[in-house]
Amino acid sequence: EVQLVQSGAEVKKPGESLKISCKGSGYSFTNYWIGWVRQMPGKGLEWMGIIYPGDSDTRYSPSFQGQVTISADKSISTAYLQWSSLKASDTAMYYCVGVEDYGVPPRGNWGQGTLVTVSS
Amino acid sequence: QSVLTQPPSASGTPGQRVTISCSGSSSNIGTNYVYWYQQLPGTAPKLLIYRNNQRPSGVPDRFSGSKSGTSASLAISGLRSEDEADYYCAAWDDSLSGVVFGGGTKLTVL
Repeated sequence: EVQLVQSGAEVKKPGESLKISCKGSGYSFTNYWIGWVRQMPGKGLEWMGIIYPGDSDTRYSPSFQGQVTISADKSISTAYLQWSSLKASDTAMYYCVGVEDYGVPPRGNWGQGTLVTVSS
Repeated sequence: QSVLTQPPSASGTPGQRVTISCSGSSSNIGTNYVYWYQQLPGTAPKLLIYRNNQRPSGVPDRFSGSKSGTSASLAISGLRSEDEADYYCAAWDDSLSGVVFGGGTKLTVL
């Protein structure tokens, strides 16, 4: 069974760093893109960026370029989303999702989501 | 402000047919496929329609998608209470080089 399993909820203070994960199983992790999507409380879906774990080719949405870092470790079939200095406005649910190809919306499985709360 | 425009809400009674619109531009819907997602309360989104009108296995044929020019629509026939959810359209945007979503439509089954 194809699955994307994300790390658990996080509560952080402004200025702290954070790295959340998304582990794939049941398919060839290196052959499909992984995308990240933000959903702020009570709001819609926002595309953050995408990575191809096979060669770590990474593309960011202009709105998130420089704000987050997307990476992957293909040896453990895991993609990551990280922040170096969190802000209260980063409070949101973050989803990883499988993407069949660059240049199309996601068609694959979604992770269950990781809730990030940033509060002093 | 989302790049794709959807009505914030829609409603219908059980058994009815409802449609949700999604309006874009030549850089997204006008030249690329439209996808639709359903998000039930407290859960991750789920793919409903891909490539304008294709249903993944397991999605009932009550759900259908269409596209014309720079707009698209999701139709749900034989409305059921379990269809109450948020619905999002999405497309690739050539100008932004990324996926763009609609703001979402909250469907209420009366």
